[in-house]
Amino acid sequence: EAQVTQNPRYLITVTGKKLTVTCSQNMNHEYMSWYRQDPGLGLRQIYYSMNVEVTDKGDVPEGYKVSRKEKRNFPLILESPSPNQTSLYFCASSFLPGARRDEKLFFGSGTQLSVL
Amino acid sequence: GQNIDQPTEMTATEGAIVQINCTYQTSGFNGLFWYQQHAGEAPTFLSYNVLDGLEEKGRFSSFLSRSKGYSYLLLKELQMKDSASYLCAVREKGYSTLTFGKGTMLLVSP
Repeated sequence: EAQVTQNPRYLITVTGKKLTVTCSQNMNHEYMSWYRQDPGLGLRQIYYSMNVEVTDKGDVPEGYKVSRKEKRNFPLILESPSPNQTSLYFCASSFLPGARRDEKLFFGSGTQLSVL
Repeated sequence: GQNIDQPTEMTATEGAIVQINCTYQTSGFNGLFWYQQHAGEAPTFLSYNVLDGLEEKGRFSSFLSRSKGYSYLLLKELQMKDSASYLCAVREKGYSTLTFGKGTMLLVSP
């Protein structure tokens, strides 16, 4: 089954304790992205990657890191989490636009993060 | 950069038709998507428009006018399960990223 797998689904942590949220896709997509979703603010992009070893900042990258060592994986790293990073996080992937008609983003099931 | 506007909330009755509007401003347009998101769940794809006109898919249709920077999502024969947030997202020319509007919360009542 074609899917984007995100883990964990829920995470409670304390300020300053490094954490990683994993994301993996099995559709051979070049493009992967991380979003955070907050009430009243909608989905905001954190980082994205257009292929292996190619990453770039989105609209709200401060406090986050990513890596793309393999095509299927795109982990989100919070080196020193703070309470303002409490949010619902989504990983998403797609083919690059232009090459194929089916350019829609597929989303993971989300990670609800609480930083105390 | 992009600016995407859609109404915050809408209400409708089961069996009715509702139209959710989305306006956008972008320096170069390369496609518009509509997604549905139920509370606490991931967004799921509904439709994609890159050329002007209407795309129909079952009970859902989406319209695009690039010259006006305008799209709408039309939902027919509303069902209770259509209560959800509807997200408009625009891809800017030359970029792979999608920028999302804040979403329209639709409440369908009996």
